Amino acid sequence: GAVVSQHPSRVICKSGTSVKIECRSLDFQATTMFWYRQFPKQSLMLMATSNEGSKATYEQGVEKDKFLINHASLTLSTLTVTSAHPEDSSFYICSAPTLYGYTFGSGTRLTVV
Amino acid sequence: DQQVKQNSPSLSVQEGRISILNCDYTNSMFDYFLWYKKYPAEGPTFLISISSIKDKNEDGRFTVFLNKSAKHLSLHIVPSQPGDSAVYFCAARGNYNTDKLIFGTGTRLQVFP
Repeated sequence: GAVVSQHPSRVICKSGTSVKIECRSLDFQATTMFWYRQFPKQSLMLMATSNEGSKATYEQGVEKDKFLINHASLTLSTLTVTSAHPEDSSFYICSAPTLYGYTFGSGTRLTVV
Repeated sequence: DQQVKQNSPSLSVQEGRISILNCDYTNSMFDYFLWYKKYPAEGPTFLISISSIKDKNEDGRFTVFLNKSAKHLSLHIVPSQPGDSAVYFCAARGNYNTDKLIFGTGTRLQVFP
């Protein structure tokens, strides 16, 4: 139980376009979703915390207007990278706390060309 | 400000021997610690955790030790197997009534035959 489905797994987009990443909780209600970013050979850095029905909380240094987070329902949280640039190329992953611990999505590899 | 650090970026161990991965943290308010195994372009896989009220937790080949006074934890894998080769992250649960996880910098473990 407690599965988070993350899509897409890979996306390549042109510089200046926006990309939406979805994380769906399949068999539980995710009131909270954490969004992380991982650059090659680096740690998973927490970007923001989304809570259903309220505004996301962003970590220091993360641009709110660039990384739009929406958590409109208990089963869906989305991260939109707006006006993407090559430096946004990274691995993005979501995670939700559950009764059994933390469940992670499978991640999204974003490449901006 | 890296609150959770893994000072060894890599570790190489012979199959059958013990692997010891170390993790240091700076925030004494962390109350729960976890170890994850991760492959590239995949989500982390949970291995074992420990509460701050304990100093040891064991699960099969994996044992985690916590030294609160030193703000140090370690993961022992015995015996090490080639399938254990991956990047290992320690993570600490944040304080101030939040469930967010702060990840360490990671250690790449290679187990050779």
